[in-house]
Amino acid sequence: EPEVTQTPSHQVTQMGQEVILRCVPISNHLYFYWYRQILGQKVEFLVSFYNNEISEKSEIFDDQFSVERPDGSNFTLKIRSTKLEDSAMYFCASSLRPRDGNSPLHFGNGTRLTVT
Amino acid sequence: AQSVTQLDSHVSVSEGTPVLLRCNYSSSYSPSLFWYVQHPNKGLQLLLKYTSAATLVKGINGFEAEFKKSETSFHLTKPSAHMSDAAEYFCVVSLYSSASKIIFGSGTRLSIRP
Repeated sequence: EPEVTQTPSHQVTQMGQEVILRCVPISNHLYFYWYRQILGQKVEFLVSFYNNEISEKSEIFDDQFSVERPDGSNFTLKIRSTKLEDSAMYFCASSLRPRDGNSPLHFGNGTRLTVT
Repeated sequence: AQSVTQLDSHVSVSEGTPVLLRCNYSSSYSPSLFWYVQHPNKGLQLLLKYTSAATLVKGINGFEAEFKKSETSFHLTKPSAHMSDAAEYFCVVSLYSSASKIIFGSGTRLSIRP
């Protein structure tokens, strides 16, 4: 069964550094998402992406964050200058259609980001 | 505004006994509802989904959930727990009006006693 893949599984970075989290969505999916889960807290929506532009974003997704689909297969999340509070598990997801309950999100295994 | 509430942060059952994980939602629209499972150090795996068809939904690994509109509930059940069911379970609501802002419950950690 096709799956969403994320790399790396764990990334450690120093505060103030830039990080790029990578995702390969399911190949025929058209909608892409990033979520994050701070340890012990809820899974939170960050951003959705369709047709090479952001569809929706949450208040968490400030100017330090950006997303890109550079080559038609990868979907990346960049954090420009990491802060301690960015430490979390980041999940990428994709779906065939957004406005259809028959098209649920498929999640990757996540990237655990640790900012020191 | 929509929300989803998982009533128990932790549920512990003995192997072979029934499992009940409770979820209530609040929504102004007809929602789609999902249960996801997260095993340690793993991603979120879809267990089952409700999309306004049959109110009793069967999922993978013997899990099922019943949508009860009058109670605004979507509880997850399994007749007989297995050790491999130990994980975190998330109830999720998705609304057509803002399909990207899928709302996660806070999660229920299921422990299985031998």
